[in-house]
Amino acid sequence: GQQLNQSPQSMFIQEGEDVSMNCTSSSIFNTWLWYKQEPGEGPVLLIALYKAGELTSNGRLTAQFGITRKDSFLNISASIPSDVGIYFCAGLEYGNKLVFGAGTILRVKS
Amino acid sequence: DGGITQSPKYLFRKEGQNVTLSCEQNLNHDAMYWYRQDPGQGLRLIYYSQIVNDFQKGDIAEGYSVSREKKESFPLTVTSAQKNPTAFYLCASSMLIGQATYEQYFGPGTRLTVT
Repeated sequence: GQQLNQSPQSMFIQEGEDVSMNCTSSSIFNTWLWYKQEPGEGPVLLIALYKAGELTSNGRLTAQFGITRKDSFLNISASIPSDVGIYFCAGLEYGNKLVFGAGTILRVKS
Repeated sequence: DGGITQSPKYLFRKEGQNVTLSCEQNLNHDAMYWYRQDPGQGLRLIYYSQIVNDFQKGDIAEGYSVSREKKESFPLTVTSAQKNPTAFYLCASSMLIGQATYEQYFGPGTRLTVT
């Protein structure tokens, strides 16, 4: 099946630094979703984006729905140790299935 | 507390045995999904269902079967025909309005090990 291009694959950053990751696709999506998964657990929905150009925040997290509808970005400000995990982007086609990125592994040095 | 439950958390089986993974949701969602996750990889869709007594194959349905007899429940059977069944299995659900599905919420997962 189709997969999104998510980058970077992994990041090892200092506590307090800002983090940026993104997802791109050759297809247009109507909804972009960002999930976080911790080891041995199911993904938890962080942010949902429904309109092209939309910018949405959830605490220290900010995500944007690209204007072309083919990309999305997630930023985490002032990272803390509990931010570690795998972050997945997902695109939702109208009335259809979710397409997932391969994930960005985030590690934080305290 | 609304959510999705999967049981058991860990499951061990011998090769050649069928095994059924449970998924229950009390979110009143119409649509339910099963995904498989392998180490270092994203999620791959096995089966999904948008209505009771109806379900569709996802990208990797071979060796799996499902049923949807109740809105709240969507069990997955991993059959002996699945060549590489050891994986982390995730169940999810979402609202369905008209033909449109919305963001999916995931259960805690079941780790299946087949030896």
